[in-house]
Amino acid sequence: EDQVTQSPEALRLQEGESSSLNCSYTVSGLRGLFWYRQDPGKGPEFLFTLYSAGEEKEKERLKATLTKKESFLHITAPKPEDSATYLCAVQAYSSASKIIFGSGTRLSIRP
Amino acid sequence: GAGVSQSPSNKVTEKGKDVELRCDPISGHTALYWYRQSLGQGLEFLIYFQGNSAPDKSGLPSDRFSAERTGGSVSTLTIQRTQQEDSAVYLCASSLRGGQGASTQYFGPGTRLTVL
Repeated sequence: EDQVTQSPEALRLQEGESSSLNCSYTVSGLRGLFWYRQDPGKGPEFLFTLYSAGEEKEKERLKATLTKKESFLHITAPKPEDSATYLCAVQAYSSASKIIFGSGTRLSIRP
Repeated sequence: GAGVSQSPSNKVTEKGKDVELRCDPISGHTALYWYRQSLGQGLEFLIYFQGNSAPDKSGLPSDRFSAERTGGSVSTLTIQRTQQEDSAVYLCASSLRGGQGASTQYFGPGTRLTVL
């Protein structure tokens, strides 16, 4: 069964304190792995798509990496506005019509 | 360009009533998806449309839930005889392509449904 597990559930950092969020997955043939950001009361906002192990993508203070078993979202020198829930999701070749989401990591950055 | 829009943004209804939730996808996107997000839970897939047809309805939780899409654009999710456990945020997403060549999904702001 395709599954996505994110850790930690919640993370509190001081402004400027870099860290990483983890997304472990099991899927029968990975079509793509997605990272989204979700602010309270809003829909998920697309950040990155990764397709193959070794791939990396960057956007401002965020960098996403992918291995055959997990993905990391690295946050460098975060600011309070980076506070949000970060969602990881996978799409399998076997069920290409839907994506399976993890439960998310709630990130809080203190000024 | 305009993103995915959903209406209403909030809906409060009484147990047993029917509700309709609307989704307007990004123009030109052929694939449309409905998800449900309960408090503190991850997103739960409900149904996928490619054009006007729904090749995957596997996530609909019961026969009280139905959805349709007309003109390859707007979609409506209908919940009949609502129950309190139906309370959740209902999210719609669209992508340029679906199926085996599926592309990135872009989400709307959601409809928060509260069943009293």
